[in-house]
Amino acid sequence: NAGVTQTPKFRILKIGQSMTLQCTQDMNHNYMYWYRQDPGMGLKLIYYSVGAGITDKGEVPNGYNVSRSTTEDFPLRLELAAPSQTSVYFCASTEGYEQFFGPGTRLTVL
Amino acid sequence: GDSVTQMEGPVTLSEEAFLTINCTYTATGYPSLFWYVQYPGEGLQLLLKATKADDKGSNKGFEATYRKETTSFHLEKGSVQVSDSAVYFCALLTGNQFYFGTGTSLTVIP
Repeated sequence: NAGVTQTPKFRILKIGQSMTLQCTQDMNHNYMYWYRQDPGMGLKLIYYSVGAGITDKGEVPNGYNVSRSTTEDFPLRLELAAPSQTSVYFCASTEGYEQFFGPGTRLTVL
Repeated sequence: GDSVTQMEGPVTLSEEAFLTINCTYTATGYPSLFWYVQYPGEGLQLLLKATKADDKGSNKGFEATYRKETTSFHLEKGSVQVSDSAVYFCALLTGNQFYFGTGTSLTVIP
């Protein structure tokens, strides 16, 4: 049972490039979330999903897209990277009241 | 909108000192409340929770009581250890969304 896994761990992008942050969970959780964490700040919700085929916007969705074709996977897509998207990205899944977090992806956009 | 406000850090304490980290919230309805802990380079982990007014969450010597009248969920520990050094986040759950505070960094010195 690996829990929530995220790839890559680190990435540097140039402005305007695109990339997909991968997130997989093996706990059969329906609810999954993407957050970003900026230095000295709390987590801001980007998108979430309550099950395969269902996604919804969170607090800061602009510049991102998601899909949820399976229960296990919840990738986050950045289409045109901007310096403002430099952050640490955390994926999480939820069972009941507890969120299980992945180890994070540190993204720098230059 | 819904939000969490927690005391700013950083907090530095000597081993065996008493810890209080304040947290207040704003929410419509009846949220569930949480404390999460983040160790360096890792994702957040659930520390304790309370799902209704007057509930007390506890774990690893940490406690917090859900006070509806003061909209608070302060974290306390009677005697901190060096291993408690981490960043602590207060959070609430309302509907399908979690809202996190900005985090309080705690350093415990021997």
